[in-house]
Amino acid sequence: ETGVTQSPTHLIKTRGQQVTLRCSSQSGHNTVSWYQQALGQGPQFIFQYYREEENGRGNFPPRFSGLQFPNYSSELNVNALELDDSALYLCASSSGTSYNSPLHFGNGTRLTVT
Amino acid sequence: DQQVKQNSPSLSVQEGRISILNCDYTNSMFDYFLWYKKYPAEGPTFLISISSIKDKNEDGRFTVFLNKSAKHLSLHIVPSQPGDSAVYFCAKPVTGNQFYFGTGTSLTVIP
Repeated sequence: ETGVTQSPTHLIKTRGQQVTLRCSSQSGHNTVSWYQQALGQGPQFIFQYYREEENGRGNFPPRFSGLQFPNYSSELNVNALELDDSALYLCASSSGTSYNSPLHFGNGTRLTVT
Repeated sequence: DQQVKQNSPSLSVQEGRISILNCDYTNSMFDYFLWYKKYPAEGPTFLISISSIKDKNEDGRFTVFLNKSAKHLSLHIVPSQPGDSAVYFCAKPVTGNQFYFGTGTSLTVIP
């Protein structure tokens, strides 16, 4: 059973640029959630995709957008990067959206905006 | 709006002793809480959960206690092992499995 994989592992971008992060969900999982973890903070919910549709969004501006594909992999896109976007971006998959469907996290993408 | 709050950023414990990690929460629609553990350069992994129908849930060396009147939960690790050194996050659902995470407690178990 393949776990959640994220690419790239590290990324350096310049303020104002755009970035795309990728996530392959665990086999059998149809739900993908994205979290941002800033230094010294806990993961903060960005949004969730269930069967290719957005299924909830946290307190993030519209320049954070996403997609889920028919194979349930997902992308996170961030436009007009700001310095505060520097963080670890975590993708998690689950076998549904119920509160007792545990999240299985990937190892994250470390984004640095200069 | 801190729905769960971990007031201790760090904790050091001697190997073999008990580790107690604490978490306070505000009013919650879902009385269901989880603990995740995170090693450096890895994603968080699910550790243990508890729902309001219980006040205690145990899984091996890990026990979570829920005090609903105090809006407080705690994670006990007995006995603590060096491999338990990690950051521990408490979390609760905002809706479904969209979770609000605390800021974490970094546990160091000293051999």
